[in-house]
Amino acid sequence: AQKVTQAQTEISVVEKEDVTLDCVYETRDTTYYLFWYKQPPSGELVFLIRRNSFDEQNEISGRYSWNFQKSTSSFNFTITASQVVDSAVYFCALSEGRKLTFGKGITLSVRP
Amino acid sequence: EPEVTQTPSHQVTQMGQEVILRCVPISNHLYFYWYRQILGQKVEFLVSFYNNEISEKSEIFDDQFSVERPDGSNFTLKIRSTKLEDSAMYFCASSDSRTVRTYGYTFGSGTRLTVV
Repeated sequence: AQKVTQAQTEISVVEKEDVTLDCVYETRDTTYYLFWYKQPPSGELVFLIRRNSFDEQNEISGRYSWNFQKSTSSFNFTITASQVVDSAVYFCALSEGRKLTFGKGITLSVRP
Repeated sequence: EPEVTQTPSHQVTQMGQEVILRCVPISNHLYFYWYRQILGQKVEFLVSFYNNEISEKSEIFDDQFSVERPDGSNFTLKIRSTKLEDSAMYFCASSDSRTVRTYGYTFGSGTRLTVV
């Protein structure tokens, strides 16, 4: 069965600090997709990134970057120079066919 | 940008009552889903729907739940006799065979169901 582990439950940083959110996954599929979603206090799920299992290139989008390492089954997310607006719950998810398996989420608090 | 629309945003119902949560998926999408998130917990898959039938369901999706696409635009989740533990945020999502590989799903903004 698929599994996504987000071992960190809550992280608190001061604005402008860098922060890394960890995600470790388990799957027997050879082709799979990994995602990160952001859930702000308003409750909706905001798509951040998708990565397929054949593409291990790291990706950077503004202050966000993702590090995918198949050898360690990890897909970590770094926010550089964090801002108060980054405060949210962040979920890592793994696809199984068209079904997504989510991790338990990491609550990030960014203090001014 | 196309959106998945869910109504209502918040619903309060009495235990034992039937409730219907409504979703309008993106018009050219073919696959539809419901997920549930109990407060403070992870998002969990309930059911997927394609070609007017359930394609996959989780063990959470028992006989008290049903889904329907009553017309060409709406996708509904019915909970027959609500229990206190059904209180959660329910997310609808849709995808086509291409976007699930490219962008994942498009999620709606959710319906917060409170059973009292």
